[in-house]
Amino acid sequence: AQSVSQHNHHVILSEAASLELGCNYSYGGTVNLFWYVQYPGQHLQLLLKYFSGDPLVKGIKGFEAEFIKSKFSFNLRKPSVQWSDTAEYFCAVNARGYQKVTFGTGTKLQVIP
Amino acid sequence: DTGVSQNPRHKITKRGQNVTFRCDPISEHNRLYWYRQTLGQGPEFLTYFQNEAQLEKSRLLSDRFSAERPKGSFSTLEIQRTEQGDSAMYLCASSFTGGLTLNTEAFFGQGTRLTVV
Repeated sequence: AQSVSQHNHHVILSEAASLELGCNYSYGGTVNLFWYVQYPGQHLQLLLKYFSGDPLVKGIKGFEAEFIKSKFSFNLRKPSVQWSDTAEYFCAVNARGYQKVTFGTGTKLQVIP
Repeated sequence: DTGVSQNPRHKITKRGQNVTFRCDPISEHNRLYWYRQTLGQGPEFLTYFQNEAQLEKSRLLSDRFSAERPKGSFSTLEIQRTEQGDSAMYLCASSFTGGLTLNTEAFFGQGTRLTVV
């Protein structure tokens, strides 16, 4: 069974700071990888996804993530955060060919103006 | 609004009562998923449907839980004899898979928050 580990539970940054949120998964086979974001009071929304191809994936709102297969990692990055990025971020994985998506416990990002 | 719709948004029930939640997926989506999210945790997979067929169920889904998707459209999740441990946010998501489209992301609804008192 797959599992996902998000290292940071709560991150506080000032506006314009750079962001990197860690995500590691455990699964021996081929995976699809996702980052979802949940803004306060809103539903989960997809930020970006990796299925195959270029391991550097660009998503919405200036976010990107890099899949490093040897490290089982899929870290999320943004060069300069904004106050509006304050939200909870979830890394998720599913084994290719299966429907169950396993989520990490989430990282709450607070951006201070 | 063409997103995933869940009703009710909030439900407070007494322990031992039955509750039913409804999910209306995005209209052309053939896959529908139920997840549960408790405080401080990410969503946990409960079950999924392809059209009307329930193809996978998590061990988290005890005998008190049942989900249906008649006619492959909306879905209901029923919890019988609720317990305080059932208090959580219940999320529904939908996606489309067909033809050459094998890998698609799921779109989530806003969830139903259940409180069992």
